[in-house]
Amino acid sequence: AQSVTQLDSHVSVSEGTPVLLRCNYSSSYSPSLFWYVQHPNKGLQLLLKYTSAATLVKGINGFEAEFKKSETSFHLTKPSAHMSDAAEYFCVVSDQDSGTYKYIFGTGTRLKVLA
Amino acid sequence: NAGVMQNPRHLVRRRGQEARLRCSPMKGHSHVYWYRQLPEEGLKFMVYLQKENIIDESGMPKERFSAEFPKEGPSILRIQQVVRGDSAAYFCASSPATGWGTEAFFGQGTRLTVV
Repeated sequence: AQSVTQLDSHVSVSEGTPVLLRCNYSSSYSPSLFWYVQHPNKGLQLLLKYTSAATLVKGINGFEAEFKKSETSFHLTKPSAHMSDAAEYFCVVSDQDSGTYKYIFGTGTRLKVLA
Repeated sequence: NAGVMQNPRHLVRRRGQEARLRCSPMKGHSHVYWYRQLPEEGLKFMVYLQKENIIDESGMPKERFSAEFPKEGPSILRIQQVVRGDSAAYFCASSPATGWGTEAFFGQGTRLTVV
């Protein structure tokens, strides 16, 4: 069965410093992987997705993620945090587990950016 | 092209009442997913529907919850005889197809409060 583990429930960084949000997945098939961001009381916005075209995926707002099959990881990074990056981030896996594609969410990482 | 529209955005129900949550997918999307988000938790998959068909309801509680996606009109998530534990944010997502690499587009959610 597919699953996602986000290793940190909370991450705090200072503005202008790098961001690393960790994600490990489990999948019986070749998965699609996504990162979504949720700002307070808002919906979810897609940051980026991995679909095997390249292992290093670039997304919006300067975020990127690297797919490492050997480590079953898909960590999200950004070179320099901005105050507006403060939000909840979800790593999501999708594959044909049980014959249907659905999106399985990690428990989320709340990113706090300090001035 | 409007995004995924959910209404109402906020819904208050007394214990024992019924709650109806509506989701209009993006134009051209025939796949709908419902998720529930409890406070400080990630999104839990509930049900996946295509027009007039329930494809995967493995995340739906066995009682009181039902979902439909008729040929015409929005998808409806129905909760009968609500209890305090049903208080949560309910998110709907849609996609144009299913399969590897397909991303889901999320609505802003309906926040249900049971008093």
